[in-house]
Amino acid sequence: ETGVTQSPTHLIKTRGQQVTLRCSSQSGHNTVSWYQQALGQGPQFIFQYYREEENGRGNFPPRFSGLQFPNYSSELNVNALELDDSALYLCASSSDRVASTDTQYFGPGTRLTVL
Amino acid sequence: RKEVEQDPGPFNVPEGATVAFNCTYSNSASQSFFWYRQDCRKEPKLLMSVYSSGNEDGRFTAQLNRASQYISLLIRDSKLSDSATYLCVVSRLSGGYNKLIFGAGTRLAVHP
Repeated sequence: ETGVTQSPTHLIKTRGQQVTLRCSSQSGHNTVSWYQQALGQGPQFIFQYYREEENGRGNFPPRFSGLQFPNYSSELNVNALELDDSALYLCASSSDRVASTDTQYFGPGTRLTVL
Repeated sequence: RKEVEQDPGPFNVPEGATVAFNCTYSNSASQSFFWYRQDCRKEPKLLMSVYSSGNEDGRFTAQLNRASQYISLLIRDSKLSDSATYLCVVSRLSGGYNKLIFGAGTRLAVHP
């Protein structure tokens, strides 16, 4: 086990609603990255948080937002849900935001279904 | 064109077979390279890092050719438990943070 936890495990929402997903990072890790994995695709980078600040962002619209807390846990918020937001949402924690060799440890993911 | 491209798969092989996966990446600024394994409806897990000198971990051998921007994974003596999706991943610095870029994955099914 990686020590990274996510909640909830599954979620069903309808179009237009808002959702909040949560992630607890591995002990000692100060960096959390969020990824979206659509069916049949590899994970796509959404954004990264380092010490409570957004540190980098992928090609996702502003309705995808996040937070990181002093204990380095993190939230992903998605507003105005669309059908295409249905995916597995993964968070990954790491101990260094810039070292490319630093391993990112993934949580089990939250499977979001938008109807 | 995607930044990381993999064999589409699926690969259906008998137990004991040797199977090879290929991957190419387009951004020469990529710094680190990995293979992740993902079981059905589970999170990706790091299988191994990939180094220019090539590296081996038991039945798994990974190779990197920076000049060709090509990565490979060889699995020898396939086991039923190797059935999974294998994700080719590159890492690079972008605007002061380390980003992982995943391929779409290649599915492997090992049958008795």
